Amino acid sequence: SQTIHQWPATLVQPVGSPLSLECTVEGTSNPNLYWYRQAAGRGLQLLFYSVGIGQISSEVPQNLSASRPQDRQFILSSKKLLLSDSGFYLCAWSRQVNQPQHFGDGTRLSIL
Amino acid sequence: DQQVKQNSPSLSVQEGRISILNCDYTNSMFDYFLWYKKYPAEGPTFLISISSIKDKNEDGRFTVFLNKSAKHLSLHIVPSQPGDSAVYFCAASARGGATNKLIFGTGTLLAVQP
Repeated sequence: SQTIHQWPATLVQPVGSPLSLECTVEGTSNPNLYWYRQAAGRGLQLLFYSVGIGQISSEVPQNLSASRPQDRQFILSSKKLLLSDSGFYLCAWSRQVNQPQHFGDGTRLSIL
Repeated sequence: DQQVKQNSPSLSVQEGRISILNCDYTNSMFDYFLWYKKYPAEGPTFLISISSIKDKNEDGRFTVFLNKSAKHLSLHIVPSQPGDSAVYFCAASARGGATNKLIFGTGTLLAVQP
């Protein structure tokens, strides 16, 4: 069966510090991969998606970047965090278009 | 512009009764709809989906209804159980995109009272 792992579960970072969140998927190959953010009281907003190694598309302009160095690894990064980057970050995968996306347990990021 | 709307932020239901969660959308290009359930501090879990070629899809206690003319879908849970208490998100996507991009509503908190 397929599993998705995200870490860390919680993270507290000072403003201006770098960020690296990692997501890995097991049990499938060539998945579509996604990074979402959920701000307080809001729905999930798609940040990045990837259909293959090295292929990244950004949905919204922001202070974050994503990379996919391996088939089942997706990384969310920032060089300098802003207060507005606080939120709940979720990684997800799907097999194909119009197939359900399956989410990891998320990372709660707090910026101080 | 909120393309997927869940106008009820919360819903309280007695155990054993029916829970009805509603969702409206504005984009007529959406043709694939999903419901997710989310517990605190966890990621959303996929529940059930429906394609626009259908108006109903059932899986155990969960049934999703789609009314394309009204751009409305609903999730029925019968009978409701205390373990169903969670936040429920509806989501939609448009066929033809290469990304399976999902647009999510803001969620409805369901509380099932024992």
